[in-house]
Amino acid sequence: DGGITQSPKYLFRKEGQNVTLSCEQNLNHDAMYWYRQDPGQGLRLIYYSQIVNDFQKGDIAEGYSVSREKKESFPLTVTSAQKNPTAFYLCASSIRGAVNLEAFFGQGTRLTVV
Amino acid sequence: SQQGEEDPQALSIQEGENATMNCSYKTSINNLQWYRQNSGRGLVHLILIRSNEREKHSGRLRVTLDTSKKSSSLLITASRAADTASYFCATANQAGTALIFGKGTTLSVSS
Repeated sequence: DGGITQSPKYLFRKEGQNVTLSCEQNLNHDAMYWYRQDPGQGLRLIYYSQIVNDFQKGDIAEGYSVSREKKESFPLTVTSAQKNPTAFYLCASSIRGAVNLEAFFGQGTRLTVV
Repeated sequence: SQQGEEDPQALSIQEGENATMNCSYKTSINNLQWYRQNSGRGLVHLILIRSNEREKHSGRLRVTLDTSKKSSSLLITASRAADTASYFCATANQAGTALIFGKGTTLSVSS
């Protein structure tokens, strides 16, 4: 089945650690996105990529990094510079340049700092 | 930057009643989309309405768009308990390269 797979579903991070969230899609979409969701805050854009080997910062990129080496994959690293990383992270994809069409979302990764 | 703002933040109704959620946005748009999110899950696309459309239907969903007021509404008719979820409106960022979401309306439908 075509779709977006995020892993792991739950992730625990110790203070000062970097952690990487996985996002893989088999929809042949060029564009991929990372959002952060906090209670009462809706979704906020972290990073997005319109094509392989290219990505842009969203509204809250500080403390995060991404790579886009393959069309299918868009991993997000939450670095130790992110002071409040506990949140629900959502990955999405869409046809490149087609913001006028729907975005497809993964099931999310819930990150907790312990 | 939040482009859309949904209203109300929370809505509780009985099964069979209609639910109306509103979205206001700030800048001109090409289209507006509505998404649904079940608790702890990803978002699912519901409907897209283009800027030259005033109303669109999909099953029990009815979306309206008023570009002069920069607002949209989502009506769910004959609500069911399974409609319990959060609903978000989304529009494109200024560059047209990503979707920006509002804070959402949490709908609770009790049987």
